[in-house]
Amino acid sequence: DIQMTQSPSSLSASVGDRVTITCRARQSINYYLAWYQQKPGKVPKLLIYAASTLQSGVPSRFSGSGSGTDFTLTISSLQPEDVATYYCQKYDDDPLTFGAGTKVEIK
Amino acid sequence: EVQLVESGGGWVQPGGSLRLSCAASGFIFTSYGMSWVRQAPGEGLEWVAVISIRDDRTYYADSVKGRFTISRDNSKNTVYLQMNSLRAEDTATYYCAKGGDGGSWYKYWGQGTLVIVSS
Repeated sequence: DIQMTQSPSSLSASVGDRVTITCRARQSINYYLAWYQQKPGKVPKLLIYAASTLQSGVPSRFSGSGSGTDFTLTISSLQPEDVATYYCQKYDDDPLTFGAGTKVEIK
Repeated sequence: EVQLVESGGGWVQPGGSLRLSCAASGFIFTSYGMSWVRQAPGEGLEWVAVISIRDDRTYYADSVKGRFTISRDNSKNTVYLQMNSLRAEDTATYYCAKGGDGGSWYKYWGQGTLVIVSS
């Protein structure tokens, strides 16, 4: 099975900071990667699919990049409402694994 | 408007069984794969199972393989998760999720149904 290694597990940054979260697959998954945001007590929200396609309605400060084994979610200017846990997910093939999550807090 | 409404959660003793249902509306059900994803209390997301459009392909996480069965009734726009031989570690909120166009990424999620496995 292809594991998804997400890092860091948590981070604290100031409002306006650029934040980067990485997700690494043990073998190539091409561009079959999605990113989700989950706020406490809420259902996960799709941010990005196909590694870099921004889901409609998601603020443009969110962006995704990468292909193959290494992927990045970037928040260009962190806002208070971005406090959440972020997950990557591979969907190239069974199993459709999620990363362990990155908890983002405001410093 | 896409809606996914789960039901069937509750408390069950270890070794017991439970069947979850997810009623879908607002889209052409027969055009999309459907999945179950779970989240244990305070933990991350864990993909559980997926079923293809025509029900001819199903896949499972290793943690549930042989114990859980995903199925769909296209006449009722409903996807099911039959859970047998339940263990304490199956305690979680179970979400139904609709696959996207061209892949199993999830824009639409249900609100979840809580399953508690405990004696």
